[in-house]
Amino acid sequence: QLQLQESGPGLVKPSETLSLTCTVSGGSISGNVHYWVWIRQSPGQGLEWIGSLYHTRSTFYNPSLESRVTMSADTSTNQFSLTLDSVTAADTAVYYCARHVNGNYYVNSWGQGTLVTVSS
Amino acid sequence: QSALTQPRSMSGSPGQSVTIPCTGTSSDVGGFDYVSWYQQHPGKAPKLILYDVTKRPSGVPGRFSGSKSGNTASLTISGLQAEDEADFYCQSYAGNYLWVFGGGTKLTVL
Repeated sequence: QLQLQESGPGLVKPSETLSLTCTVSGGSISGNVHYWVWIRQSPGQGLEWIGSLYHTRSTFYNPSLESRVTMSADTSTNQFSLTLDSVTAADTAVYYCARHVNGNYYVNSWGQGTLVTVSS
Repeated sequence: QSALTQPRSMSGSPGQSVTIPCTGTSSDVGGFDYVSWYQQHPGKAPKLILYDVTKRPSGVPGRFSGSKSGNTASLTISGLQAEDEADFYCQSYAGNYLWVFGGGTKLTVL
């Protein structure tokens, strides 16, 4: 059974870079069957799609975050990652990694989420 | 790319029906039959309850149903139960590999 687990610092200083990793077990991030996704949820707010990674190298980003976001994959460790540059307090959120099947437009597997707080 | 519009809160009594609207534009909700709905209980990850406007994943009760008219999609919960109290989010494909979520609706079961 597929499992996704987010990891990374829970506290990041303003203007620095947020870096998170999603470890995938029970399935491979290689291939063209799935898209690997990052979604965030600010405290008390709604969900926000950050971006998607396909075939370990094709990336698609939310236009509102595109200038600061990078997603990548490491097939040797079966992990994919998110970096977000120049963070501010507005980037404080629970960050979820997730997966959807190529050709589908909904998430059917979610990580548990990890809270990242931006504060000095 | 703006968030889809949902009412911040709604409520209903056990046994009643409630319909949660999700309004977008012709570039997202109105342009594709790829609207999904997620239910989120406090402290938990969202759970998929509807996809492709009307389809239910295995294990989701038939009390949950979906529809779409123009730029507005809707989630209807019939026979409201106490455990349905949660936050509900719509999500739509917006073309060019882009996705957009709604702001969420907090459903209270009275």
